Amino acid sequence: DIQMTQSPSTLSASVGDRVTITCRASQSVSSWLAWFQQKPGKAPKLLIYKASTLESGVPSRFSGSGSGTEFTLTISSLQPDDFATYYCQQYNSPFTFGPGTKVDFK
Amino acid sequence: EVQLVESGGGLVKPGGSLRLSCAASGFTFSDVWMSWVRQAPGKGLEWVGRIKSKTNGGIAEYAAPVKGRFIISRDDSKNTLYLQMNSLKTEDTALYYCTTDRYKPSDCWGQGTLVTVSS
Repeated sequence: DIQMTQSPSTLSASVGDRVTITCRASQSVSSWLAWFQQKPGKAPKLLIYKASTLESGVPSRFSGSGSGTEFTLTISSLQPDDFATYYCQQYNSPFTFGPGTKVDFK
Repeated sequence: EVQLVESGGGLVKPGGSLRLSCAASGFTFSDVWMSWVRQAPGKGLEWVGRIKSKTNGGIAEYAAPVKGRFIISRDDSKNTLYLQMNSLKTEDTALYYCTTDRYKPSDCWGQGTLVTVSS
């Protein structure tokens, strides 16, 4: 099965910062890569799929890039609502999630 | 509006069985592939498995830790997804979510149902 890693595991940032999270796959997943946001006590929310396609209703400050084995999620200007945990997921069956990156207040 | 409501969670002893349900509304259930995702307390997300629509063969696929123990099925006449969990282990303790896979993975989620496996 394909293994996913994310870095960093925790990221301390301030409102207005540009934030980048990296996700790596143990083998190529082409562009079958999604990003999710999860806040405490809530179900996750799909942000990006097919590596760079923004889900409907997701603010344009979120963007995704990459293909093959290396991907990034970028938040161009961090907003108070963005403090959360972010997961990548490859969806070449069987699917696997990365371990998550927690974005907290600096 | 898409709604997914999971039920059936609870406390079960190791080696026991449990069946989870996910009642769907607000979309044409029979057309949609569906997944189960779980989250152990304080831990990350883990994909459990998914089932394709009947027009795509209705085939279910599973993650390695649950293959051979869990069965995903669907009843399109009842707009309901199921997860039959057998030979449960303590490491299966988690909040179980059902999700829709509408040409993109897990685009809608339920609120989850908690399964606790403990003696």
